[in-house]
Amino acid sequence: AQSVSQHNHHVILSEAASLELGCNYSYGGTVNLFWYVQYPGQHLQLLLKYFSGDPLVKGIKGFEAEFIKSKFSFNLRKPSVQWSDTAEYFCAVNARTDSSYKLIFGSGTRLLVRP
Amino acid sequence: GAVVSQHPSWVICKSGTSVKIECRSLDFQATTMFWYRQFPKQSLMLMATSNEGSKATYEQGVEKDKFLINHASLTLSTLTVTSAHPEDSSFYICSAGVFRGFGEKLFFGSGTQLSVL
Repeated sequence: AQSVSQHNHHVILSEAASLELGCNYSYGGTVNLFWYVQYPGQHLQLLLKYFSGDPLVKGIKGFEAEFIKSKFSFNLRKPSVQWSDTAEYFCAVNARTDSSYKLIFGSGTRLLVRP
Repeated sequence: GAVVSQHPSWVICKSGTSVKIECRSLDFQATTMFWYRQFPKQSLMLMATSNEGSKATYEQGVEKDKFLINHASLTLSTLTVTSAHPEDSSFYICSAGVFRGFGEKLFFGSGTQLSVL
């Protein structure tokens, strides 16, 4: 069965620190990979996505992620976080099975950025 | 941009009653709709996937007779929690997507907080 693992459940950083959130998935077929963010009191928003091509994907708000196929990983990075990045971050995998699609989420990582 | 509208955003009901949650894609036709629930301080859990032209596919452990999903059209999906009990209290989120060409569009509703007394 497909699964997504996010290793860091809680991360606390100071402003300007660099961020890297881990994401690993298990699925042998073709996948599309996503990072979503949920700010306090808001609904999910897409940060970035990988379909094919350049494995280094740039998203909104200065975030980027690198797809490493050999490691089944899609880690999220940001060189310098801001207080406004405080949110919960979800990694997700869209695994295609036959003619249907399934979007599986990781357990999420709560990021707290201290001013 | 595309918008997915989910209603109601908050509902309180008595134990034993049924609650219907609507999910509409406002400016596009969704080939696939997903329903999730999120327990406090936990991750999103996929409940079911509803693809165009087929019945919903439920995830293991999700009771299809309790959580009725109707993908009435390409712009509307409903989740009905039948005979709700306090343990069904949760945050339910829908998402709608167009997957022709694989994952081109996916948008989330704002969620529904269900409290069963």
